[in-house]
Amino acid sequence: DAGVIQSPRHEVTEMGQEVTLRCKPISGHNSLFWYRQTMMRGLELLIYFNNNVPIDDSGMPEDRFSAKMPNASFSTLKIQPSEPRDSAVYFCASSFNLVWDTEAFFGQGTRLTVV
Amino acid sequence: AQSVTQLDSQVPVFEEAPVELRCNYSSSVSVYLFWYVQYPNQGLQLLLKYLSGSTLVKGINGFEAEFNKSQTSFHLRKPSVHISDTAEYFCAVSDGAGNNRKLIWGLGTSLAVNP
Repeated sequence: DAGVIQSPRHEVTEMGQEVTLRCKPISGHNSLFWYRQTMMRGLELLIYFNNNVPIDDSGMPEDRFSAKMPNASFSTLKIQPSEPRDSAVYFCASSFNLVWDTEAFFGQGTRLTVV
Repeated sequence: AQSVTQLDSQVPVFEEAPVELRCNYSSSVSVYLFWYVQYPNQGLQLLLKYLSGSTLVKGINGFEAEFNKSQTSFHLRKPSVHISDTAEYFCAVSDGAGNNRKLIWGLGTSLAVNP
């Protein structure tokens, strides 16, 4: 398996534009997590899905952020409209069952810059 | 609420020297403990985890960690580091129950191994 695949690796966009980040989890994993990493706040869990169903989205910063998982092999994180403070590295991770006692496998991340 | 403190944001060390990266958490009730490593421009990968049993846990790349319940600590150690160990190290704690269980992350410790 190629691991968790995220695209794009880098994204530069102007403030106010819509941004869509994509993630393909490892085949057979049924839990998917979206994280945001910044120097100031470290690694923050935004939302996670189990069996394609959102379980907890309390980490989503505001209504500008939305995430979907239409099937077991694909998820998107959308920011509309984007703002400079959204600049960060966004990671997608997947695991077999929830990650509380099993390993989470991370993608290489999407580095988002909003100018 | 659970919190995780990584006491050192940066640890410089010379090659072949021993290293300890410190991690403390706030609650000792039914926790699972993890160390992840992030190499430059990569996602995180699991180094080791403590779920139960022996308090000394061995992980990949020669790392080990010791769970100390009375001190609520889970420090990571390696007796002799290599240049390739240069990376960011994250401690994480899982507590709660059922769908309320979450991973709480420390802010990371940057290990710089110098020749």
